[in-house]
Amino acid sequence: AQTVTQSQPEMSVQEAETVTLSCTYDTSENNYYLFWYKQPPSRQMILVIRQEAYKQQNATENRFSVNFQKAAKSFSLKISDSQLGDTAMYFCAFEGNAGGTSYGKLTFGQGTILTVHP
Amino acid sequence: GAVVSQHPSWVICKSGTSVKIECRSLDFQATTMFWYRQFPKQSLMLMATSNEGSKATYEQGVEKDKFLINHASLTLSTLTVTSAHPEDSSFYICSATAGAESTEAFFGQGTRLTVV
Repeated sequence: AQTVTQSQPEMSVQEAETVTLSCTYDTSENNYYLFWYKQPPSRQMILVIRQEAYKQQNATENRFSVNFQKAAKSFSLKISDSQLGDTAMYFCAFEGNAGGTSYGKLTFGQGTILTVHP
Repeated sequence: GAVVSQHPSWVICKSGTSVKIECRSLDFQATTMFWYRQFPKQSLMLMATSNEGSKATYEQGVEKDKFLINHASLTLSTLTVTSAHPEDSSFYICSATAGAESTEAFFGQGTRLTVV
């Protein structure tokens, strides 16, 4: 079974600064997907960024980028130029690629509450 | 992205009654839907996987007779909490996928259930 660990229950950052959220995972699979989701106070889950394990290049989406270290099973999220709207709970998630019913089935980390201060 | 609508957004029910939560994919056919449960400031825990036209697959520790899941069509899955008790109070979230490899899972807005 896969496990996802986020060791930072809470983080804070000043507006316009950069913050990095940590995530480690454990799996015996070679092909899989990793995600970062944002859950604002509305509690709607919003996909921030996705990484395919077979791609060595780190994914980026505007101010969001990841540092994917496959050998170390590490998948951190860097938020640059933090904005007040980035305040939310962030979840790291794992999706296996065993085929069939594993598509879309996510294992989540414990979450990190990020607060952006003005 | 695709839209998944979950209804109701919140519900209060009396202990011992049953509550039904609907999850609809509005603009795509969802071959698979997932139901999660989330306690305040905690992670999403997968309860069950729902495939259209077949019985749901429940995660270990989830009572299938308490949490009835029906996926009767490619756009609708329902979760019924039967004989609800205060400890069932939680936030329930569904997600849906079309099932192809690397397809994004789209989430509903969640349902806050309070059992009094």
